[in-house]
Amino acid sequence: QLVLTQSPSASASLGASVKLTCTLSSGHSNYAIAWHQQQPEKGPRYLMKLNSDGSHSKGDGIPDRFSGSSSGAERYLTISSLQSEDEADYYCQTWDTGIHVVFGGGTKLTVL
Amino acid sequence: EVQLVQSGAEVKKPGESLKISCKGSGYSFTNYWIVWVRQMPGKGLEWMGIIYPGDSDIRYSPSFQGQVTISADKSISTAYLQWSSLKASDTARFYCARQDSLNTPPDYWGQGTLVTVSS
Repeated sequence: QLVLTQSPSASASLGASVKLTCTLSSGHSNYAIAWHQQQPEKGPRYLMKLNSDGSHSKGDGIPDRFSGSSSGAERYLTISSLQSEDEADYYCQTWDTGIHVVFGGGTKLTVL
Repeated sequence: EVQLVQSGAEVKKPGESLKISCKGSGYSFTNYWIVWVRQMPGKGLEWMGIIYPGDSDIRYSPSFQGQVTISADKSISTAYLQWSSLKASDTARFYCARQDSLNTPPDYWGQGTLVTVSS
């Protein structure tokens, strides 16, 4: 069963870096994922598509502070030079056969 | 500039019908899929279904099949999500988003439509 697992919460200080993790279920370690950001009271915003080899393609206007990487079944989103507006929920998403689409439960990032 | 603009918030009673909309602009509406995503209060994102306005190919998540209807009117670059008989458990915010194939993620999202169903 295709499942994405995310930690419910994370925190880091203003100006620091943070690495969020999304873990693919067993047997799906070669799947690409996407990261989306949802700021409070706003709609989601596409950040990037992240492949199993760590290559990624970002959405329009996404700052260089956002980057992605992969290791085995884990997919990472690293945000450097944290700013207050980075405080948001971050969701990973993947898909199988195009219509079997799953989202992770989301990670709530607090910027201290 | 790519934009997906959704219709405004709705307050309905159980049993009523509803159709919400998502208007695309700034791109070729018929060449991209439109996906609908639900977010219940305080919860995460759930994929509901997807439509290709070019030929009205529609796919539903098993969880939402039979519960909602997805459609599109390509002449006005608008996709729709509708219910024939709302339940209180349909209370949620609904987002549309576009994606260029079934095997890519959505790259632009609408602002969301809040649907409240209460007696």
